[in-house]
Amino acid sequence: DVKVTQSSRYLVKRTGEKVFLECVQDMDHENMFWYRQDPGLGLRLIYFSYDVKMKEKGDIPEGYSVSREKKERFSLILESASTNQTSMYLCATSGTSGTSSYNEQFFGPGTRLTVL
Amino acid sequence: GENVEQHPSTLSVQEGDSAVIKCTYSDSASNYFPWYKQELGKRPQLIIDIRSNVGEKKDQRIAVTLNKTAKHFSLHITETQPEDSAVYFCAATDAGGTSYGKLTFGQGTILTVHP
Repeated sequence: DVKVTQSSRYLVKRTGEKVFLECVQDMDHENMFWYRQDPGLGLRLIYFSYDVKMKEKGDIPEGYSVSREKKERFSLILESASTNQTSMYLCATSGTSGTSSYNEQFFGPGTRLTVL
Repeated sequence: GENVEQHPSTLSVQEGDSAVIKCTYSDSASNYFPWYKQELGKRPQLIIDIRSNVGEKKDQRIAVTLNKTAKHFSLHITETQPEDSAVYFCAATDAGGTSYGKLTFGQGTILTVHP
């Protein structure tokens, strides 16, 4: 079973704070993704990474950065949190290991971030 | 880039009825179309997918159809049950290209099945 974990289920931060969200996977997957989920807007891709130290912007990268120093770990960073970044953040992974198809994404449980 | 539109945004049916959710995509290079189900408070999970070399795929009570010419695909759920109540997301990608597994998701459909 693919295990994808996220550092927190719920997080409350203040405007201007630096926020770190961490995602860890144990399936040796090459690809990792960060999405935000808002009602009526679906899953919007913030950043993704296809290898260690490699990162690509998704559809809504503004206000975010990412770090992937190790294959199993992908961090999302909000340099200066703002109220419009209040959302559910979901991490996902995919790759060639295991019996799943390369394109099947496995999601973490999500982090509900509130910025006050 | 790819753009995926999903309709309806909410769908309410009686138990035993059928439910249909439709998606359109913009990029003719897309060739892989998965559907994810997200139950309340849980993570999205893949329930069925289809590749562009087939027009229909079934798995028990769920089926997906694809019309490449019109660039749309649909999820069909027959004999709905209360446990089918969830948010459903469609997605599209050019699998095997330089997408690195990246998916473009639709806006989601909240399906409610009333007992």
